[in-house]
Amino acid sequence: GQNIDQPTEMTATEGAIVQINCTYQTSGFNGLFWYQQHAGEAPTFLSYNVLDGLEEKGRFSSFLSRSKGYSYLLLKELQMKDSASYLCAVRDRNDYKLSFGAGTTVTVRA
Amino acid sequence: NAGVMQNPRHLVRRRGQEARLRCSPMKGHSHVYWYRQLPEEGLKFMVYLQKENIIDESGMPKERFSAEFPKEGPSILRIQQVVRGDSAAYFCASSAPGEDPLKSFFGQGTRLTVV
Repeated sequence: GQNIDQPTEMTATEGAIVQINCTYQTSGFNGLFWYQQHAGEAPTFLSYNVLDGLEEKGRFSSFLSRSKGYSYLLLKELQMKDSASYLCAVRDRNDYKLSFGAGTTVTVRA
Repeated sequence: NAGVMQNPRHLVRRRGQEARLRCSPMKGHSHVYWYRQLPEEGLKFMVYLQKENIIDESGMPKERFSAEFPKEGPSILRIQQVVRGDSAAYFCASSAPGEDPLKSFFGQGTRLTVV
């Protein structure tokens, strides 16, 4: 089975940095994904880590430590439009099946 | 270049009725995945289909739920005799053969409310 934990809510100020942690305990591992989901909208793909280390993509970075079962998503230079839910998901040994955390709702304040 | 299209966006059903949710994948995509998002919970995998084949339905409830992806037309997720606990957002994602299925695109979802 899969057990994926992330904080429920975080609040930050416009222009600041926020780090969303995700810990997982899974029976198999074949990659960790982060998605962004605005209220009432579809999840959109943000990042993918399968090896340990940091992946940077503009204002968004994602880190993975497989030995610790730990990942984080770093959002820099926060903008109001970054207010959304951020979903951590782990892929199992199969190519297609994802197990999602409950999501972290990030609120950006002016 | 239309994305994954789901309809209806919102669906209200009375307990005991049937719900039919449709998903038209992106052009050129022949793989469809259905996920369910219960209130305050993460998305949960339900079923993976290719044209005319169910590949993995391990996430589908054993009763009342069925899915198909015919040779022509959209994929259909059918829920018979709906109950209040079926109220959720149902998301469909699609991908093309040979592409990473988990960088696939999600549709806007169908929000089912059972009253």
